[in-house]
Amino acid sequence: SQQGEEDPQALSIQEGENATMNCSYKTSINNLQWYRQNSGRGLVHLILIRSNEREKHSGRLRVTLDTSKKSSSLLITASRAADTASYFCATDRSNTGKLIFGQGTTLQVKP
Amino acid sequence: SAVISQKPSRDICQRGTSLTIQCQVDSQVTMMFWYRQQPGQSLTLIATANQGSEATYESGFVIDKFPISRPNLTFSTLTVSNMSPEDSSIYLCSAQASYNEQFFGPGTRLTVL
Repeated sequence: SQQGEEDPQALSIQEGENATMNCSYKTSINNLQWYRQNSGRGLVHLILIRSNEREKHSGRLRVTLDTSKKSSSLLITASRAADTASYFCATDRSNTGKLIFGQGTTLQVKP
Repeated sequence: SAVISQKPSRDICQRGTSLTIQCQVDSQVTMMFWYRQQPGQSLTLIATANQGSEATYESGFVIDKFPISRPNLTFSTLTVSNMSPEDSSIYLCSAQASYNEQFFGPGTRLTVL
C-alpha cells in the first residue's frame, strides 16, 4: 500500500517561477527521499532528509520535513523547462531501505 | 553515490514467456531492491535481493512469478515468469549507498503482448 500522498497531482508553471510539491505520509519514518523521473525513465535521486532534520538545501532545491504533521515539501526555485518531470517522495519507515512511494506530482514548466 | 545499469532497457515479449532483467552496480552495496512501476502509477517494491540467500518478497509478490538472484554484492537479476499483459510495466532495481541514500537504475520497460 502507498505510504504517501502528494499534492498537487499536477502543477503547471512558467519558467522562472517557484514550484512547491507536498508529500504526506501515515506512519513514523527514518528518512524521506525525493526523486525526479523524466518521461518514464529511471529515478534521479534529489535529496534525503532524516527524521531529525527539518530542512535541507541542494542548489535550487529546498526540502522541509515536519514529523509532527507527517509531511514534507519540495521547493524548486527559479524553475526551468528542464525541470519538467514527475517528482516522487519515498519514505523509509524502519531504516531497512524498503521505500514506500507517494503517488507523485507531475510538474510542467512552460518556457 | 552508486551508478546502476540495467539490461535490457526495453523488451516486447509474448504471453507465457519469461524475461530476465540484469542489474549491475558500480560498487559493492549491501542492499539491493527491485521495484515495479505500472503504467501511469507510482513505484511498488517487489522484493529485497539478499546476497547469498533467498530474496525477501513483499505482499502480493511471489518467488515463482518473480525469481531473483543475487550472487554477489554488485549484481542481481529479476525474472518475470509466465508473463501476461498485466506484467507490462517498468521494472527498476535500486541500491542503497552510504548514508541510506537509495539510487535507481534506468529501468527496463516491458511490454507483454
